[in-house]
Amino acid sequence: NAGVTQTPKFRVLKTGQSMTLLCAQDMNHEYMYWYRQDPGMGLRLIHYSVGEGTTAKGEVPDGYNVSRLKKQNFLLGLESAAPSQTSVYFCASSYSTGRRQPQHFGDGTRLSIL
Amino acid sequence: QQQVKQSPQSLIVQKGGISIINCAYENTAFDYFPWYQQFPGKGPALLIAIRPDVSEKKEGRFTISFNKSAKQFSLHIMDSQPGDSATYFCAASIDNNQGGKLIFGQGTELSVKP
Repeated sequence: NAGVTQTPKFRVLKTGQSMTLLCAQDMNHEYMYWYRQDPGMGLRLIHYSVGEGTTAKGEVPDGYNVSRLKKQNFLLGLESAAPSQTSVYFCASSYSTGRRQPQHFGDGTRLSIL
Repeated sequence: QQQVKQSPQSLIVQKGGISIINCAYENTAFDYFPWYQQFPGKGPALLIAIRPDVSEKKEGRFTISFNKSAKQFSLHIMDSQPGDSATYFCAASIDNNQGGKLIFGQGTELSVKP
């Protein structure tokens, strides 16, 4: 029972570099989300997906891109990293709504941009 | 209007005491109010949730009180224990078949002293 797995767990980048964060879930969830967590600001939604092949913008999408080619995977890309993107990134997944379902979170990726 | 405001930012309580965390919202369309608990180095996990058609929900030592007219809700932790030391997030969402997006509060870091 892995749940939601995020890779890598830690990463240091230089300004302008690119990278991809991977999220994988084994619960057959339809919905997946990417958040960033910064001190004093809670969790803010970057992008989300309501099913395979679909993505949508959240609250803070600028500078990020996402893809959901397979139902179990949700990728978050930084094309040209900036120091303002230093944060802890969390992926979450849930069943589709109809009745409220909790979001299940991974343990995060700690990303530093120098 | 999409914000959820949470207070206090940090809270220190003696073992056996009552911990109280408050949240306020503006958007009256919100219809689901969960609380998440996060331990250091881990992702948030659903603790307890409430819908606006009830004024209180209790699960063990954890109680949500909901005041629809004031647009406020709070988490009460009775008989607080050192193991409750964590960061707590309130959240709100709208069940509009658009992904069940959560709007999180800023978080409260709770420390329970033995």
